[in-house]
Amino acid sequence: QQQVKQSPQSLIVQKGGISIINCAYENTAFDYFPWYQQFPGKGPALLIAIRPDVSEKKEGRFTISFNKSAKQFSLHIMDSQPGDSATYFCAASIRVPGNQFYFGTGTSLTVIP
Amino acid sequence: DTAVSQTPKYLVTQMGNDKSIKCEQNLGHDTMYWYKQDSKKFLKIMFSYNNKELIINETVPNRFSPKSPDKAHLNLHINSLELGDSAVYFCASSQESLAGHTDTQYFGPGTRLTVL
Repeated sequence: QQQVKQSPQSLIVQKGGISIINCAYENTAFDYFPWYQQFPGKGPALLIAIRPDVSEKKEGRFTISFNKSAKQFSLHIMDSQPGDSATYFCAASIRVPGNQFYFGTGTSLTVIP
Repeated sequence: DTAVSQTPKYLVTQMGNDKSIKCEQNLGHDTMYWYKQDSKKFLKIMFSYNNKELIINETVPNRFSPKSPDKAHLNLHINSLELGDSAVYFCASSQESLAGHTDTQYFGPGTRLTVL
């Protein structure tokens, strides 16, 4: 059972446009929602993260919108650039002990010049 | 200065062989993980260790055995390699925040395993 559902699977955006990736979760015990960016041949790297007590977090061109009641969160990339072309993963985590992370299936973003 | 390191980066081997992948983190984290990423990019958790104790063991064949000699190391041993084991394997680590919440994971660069 997929704990975190991510869409779309792939996304093509013009340079300067807005890229939006959506995720949904079921377990209300999740307490941390990170987004990871992965370039070919590299490991996933933390891009931005949010906790459920806030509805929005912005870092530069990247914004997470979080809707606790709907159990949904999304990543918005403003003024998308060709260098943003990568695979993006949303995730949700819970203490087990230690931390257990559940990943979405990934979105391949292509920003065309 | 590398936070999470893995060796080797590439591993090409014949079916039936036994191989190991090593992982080390210098972040002082108490939880380490192994993930498998297949050709479709899906990240599948394999194992999770917290303070050298196995916490998560997903439905992974028992040919895969993690070993954690200390909190900074989590190695992955694979016996009797099969074609379907070909994938990229990522090690990661994390630490609970001071407030007791979960905090971010840091991933290694990956090991691309090719079984011929």
